Amino acid sequence: EIVLTQSPGTLSLSPGERATLSCRASQSVSSTYLAWYQQKPGQAPRLLIYGASTRATGIPDRFSGSGSGTDFTLTISRLEPEDFAVYYCQQYDGSWTFGQGTKVEIK
Amino acid sequence: EVQVVESGGGLVQPGGSLRLSCEASGFTFSSNAMSWVRQAPGKGLEWVSAISSSGDHTYYADSVKGRFTISRDNSQNTLYLQMNSLRAEDTAVYYCAKELRIAGTTVAFDYWGQGTLVTVSS
Repeated sequence: EIVLTQSPGTLSLSPGERATLSCRASQSVSSTYLAWYQQKPGQAPRLLIYGASTRATGIPDRFSGSGSGTDFTLTISRLEPEDFAVYYCQQYDGSWTFGQGTKVEIK
Repeated sequence: EVQVVESGGGLVQPGGSLRLSCEASGFTFSSNAMSWVRQAPGKGLEWVSAISSSGDHTYYADSVKGRFTISRDNSQNTLYLQMNSLRAEDTAVYYCAKELRIAGTTVAFDYWGQGTLVTVSS
């Protein structure tokens, strides 16, 4: 089973700043099957990025995904107040697994 | 508008059973694979089970294999999760999720319900 490790655990930033979130896999992951989700307290996860770099429907272009192999990144170019949340990466290798999450909090 | 609405959660004793339901609307349910994903209180996301669009193929996480059964009724646009031999560690919010397929392969989960809480405790 591929293990996804997200870093940092918590990111403390101010609105307007750039956020860079990392997702590292224990083995190589096909980019096709790498996705990112946002989750706010009390809400369901929301798909942001699939295929490592394709934004889902309705996702603002300040969100971008990149990476390949074992290292993937989610970047939020300029944080808006509504972007403070927990972010998860996800992969598929015959079974779906998620990273443990990165919390983006207001500094 | 795509909607998926879970129901059936509640408090159950260890060793007990529960059946979750997920009613879907706003998309062609019979053409889409579906999954269940759970989240223990204060924890991350864990994929539980998936089912093909026709229901012919089912998949399970090792943690629930042999205890949980996923099924669907395409005539009722409803997904189910039968949970038997429940354990304290099964306590979680259970989400129903629609799978996003691109070029014939599932690449992510694009619509999620709000979840239903299952608590396993004596």
